[in-house]
Amino acid sequence: DIQMTQSPSSLSASVGDRVTITCRASQSIDSYLNWYQQKPGQAPKFLIYGAITLQNGVPSRFSGSGSGTDFTLTISSLQPEDFATYYCQQSYSIPVTFGQGTKLEIK
Amino acid sequence: QMQLQESGPRLMKPSQTLSLTCTVSGGSISSVSYYWNWIRQPAGKGLEWIGRIYTGGSTNYNPSLKSRLTISMDTSKNQFSLRLTSVTAADTAVYYCARAPSLFKGGHSWFAPWGQGTLVTVSS
Repeated sequence: DIQMTQSPSSLSASVGDRVTITCRASQSIDSYLNWYQQKPGQAPKFLIYGAITLQNGVPSRFSGSGSGTDFTLTISSLQPEDFATYYCQQSYSIPVTFGQGTKLEIK
Repeated sequence: QMQLQESGPRLMKPSQTLSLTCTVSGGSISSVSYYWNWIRQPAGKGLEWIGRIYTGGSTNYNPSLKSRLTISMDTSKNQFSLRLTSVTAADTAVYYCARAPSLFKGGHSWFAPWGQGTLVTVSS
């Protein structure tokens, strides 16, 4: 199985801050990397596929980068609705695997 | 707009067999363009992919669950189902069903939409 490791596990930030979350794969996954946002009591919401392509309707303050084993999710200017847990997920091979999550909290 | 809805028991005893159903509305599960997936999340923890089924009935399972797992589909009801045998407390989780594209350019695939999830508790 491909192991996905996110850092940090948690992050405190303020509205307006720029934040970056990192996801590392245990082997190369090309650009087969997706990002999700999950709020308490809700199902995950799909944000980005192919490491860089935003799903329709996702605000442009979200961006993704990377390829191979190292990837990042950046939120350019945090909004109150962005405080949530974020997960990366590889779709390169079966079994599909997720990172452990990064909880983004209000400072 | 497609919607998915999980249904099944909320409380189970150890060693029993868990059966969950995902009912799909707003589209057909017979489409060749999608995989139909089960994903679970223990309370306060991360996401674990359980397995998927494709039109025609072909399946892929997480090796960690493969010996206990069966995923099937009923196209006449537009539903797909999960059956997990010999459950233990470790199977306590919110179980989600989700769709994933199978024919997108470049082979990319992702989970959307998701059902709202159903909490299954295994306890004696």
